[in-house]
Amino acid sequence: DGGITQSPKYLFRKEGQNVTLSCEQNLNHDAMYWYRQDPGQGLRLIYYSQIVNDFQKGDIAEGYSVSREKKESFPLTVTSAQKNPTAFYLCASSPTGTLLDTEAFFGQGTRLTVV
Amino acid sequence: GQQVMQIPQYQHVQEGEDFTTYCNSSTTLSNIQWYKQRPGGHPVFLIQLVKSGEVKKQKRLTFQFGEAKKNSSLHITATQTTDVGTYFCAGKTSGTYKYIFGTGTRLKVLA
Repeated sequence: DGGITQSPKYLFRKEGQNVTLSCEQNLNHDAMYWYRQDPGQGLRLIYYSQIVNDFQKGDIAEGYSVSREKKESFPLTVTSAQKNPTAFYLCASSPTGTLLDTEAFFGQGTRLTVV
Repeated sequence: GQQVMQIPQYQHVQEGEDFTTYCNSSTTLSNIQWYKQRPGGHPVFLIQLVKSGEVKKQKRLTFQFGEAKKNSSLHITATQTTDVGTYFCAGKTSGTYKYIFGTGTRLKVLA
């Protein structure tokens, strides 16, 4: 089945540790995105990538890093520099480089808890 | 910067009652999308509006895009328990690559 897969679904880390969230899609989409969702808030864009080997900062990129070495993969690293990393992280992809002239397809999300 | 606000933040309705959520942008939008997120789930695309004053319907759901392209609404007629979830709008301005998501309206339907 085609889709976008995030793993793991739940992740616990100690404060001060870096952690990498996985996002894989087999939809052959060019664009991929990472969003952060906090309770009572909408989705805030962390990073996006329109094409392999290229990515851009979103609104809240500080404390995060990404890579786009393959079209189907867009991992997100939450570094120790991120002051409030506990959140629900959503990965999305879309067929064109301009999200949302076409719909975005979201993964199931990863709930990260830092203790 | 661009902001997209949604009201209300929460809404509880009795099953069978109507429901409306409103989305307001601080800037003129080129288009707007609506998504639904079920509890514990991920956002799922519902619809996109592009034209000024556009109205689209999906069964019991009616979507409107304002004449000035700065606001939008989603109206659900005769809510059902399956309508439970958080509804997000996402607005885009021309010349930008990204949509700004609204804060969402969480709908609870009481049977």
